[in-house]
Amino acid sequence: DVKVTQSSRYLVKRTGEKVFLECVQDMDHENMFWYRQDPGLGLRLIYFSYDVKMKEKGDIPEGYSVSREKKERFSLILESASTNQTSMYLCASSFPGLAASTDTQYFGPGTRLTVL
Amino acid sequence: GENVEQHPSTLSVQEGDSAVIKCTYSDSASNYFPWYKQELGKGPQLIIDIRSNVGEKKDQRIAVTLNKTAKHFSLHITETQPEDSAVYFCAASPGGGADGLTFGKGTHLIIQP
Repeated sequence: DVKVTQSSRYLVKRTGEKVFLECVQDMDHENMFWYRQDPGLGLRLIYFSYDVKMKEKGDIPEGYSVSREKKERFSLILESASTNQTSMYLCASSFPGLAASTDTQYFGPGTRLTVL
Repeated sequence: GENVEQHPSTLSVQEGDSAVIKCTYSDSASNYFPWYKQELGKGPQLIIDIRSNVGEKKDQRIAVTLNKTAKHFSLHITETQPEDSAVYFCAASPGGGADGLTFGKGTHLIIQP
């Protein structure tokens, strides 16, 4: 079974703090993604990565950065956390390929971040 | 970019009845349409997906239909059971999912006993 783990289920930070959210997958997937989920807005793509040291902006990258130093690990960084970044953050991974089943995105359980 | 609209936001059905959730998309280049189920406290889990070269796909009690001309796709759940209660999300992607998904806002499905 594919397993995507996220470092924390719940996190509380202060405004202005630098925040790191970690995601690890154990299936040698090349693609990894960060989404945020807010009530009534669904999931929105923040950043994604095709490979180590590669990153692409999603729909809402402002206020975030990412790091992918190893294939299995994808980190989301909030350089200076703000209250409007209070949200559920979901990490996902997929293995790119021609077969439909290989594009499936597998999600972690999420990190609920509260910025005070 | 892609925009996905999902309706209804809440759907309540009697156990054993069918449930239908509908989505529309804006980008005619989208070619991959997955559906995810999210239970309380968990991440979304893929339940079924369809590609643009297929009009319908079925997996036991779950089916998805796609109308490329009208740019809409639907999830059908038959013989609903209490464990079907969850939030369901549709999504679309022009890149087969490899470059991220655009999600609808979700449907809270409630199965009444």
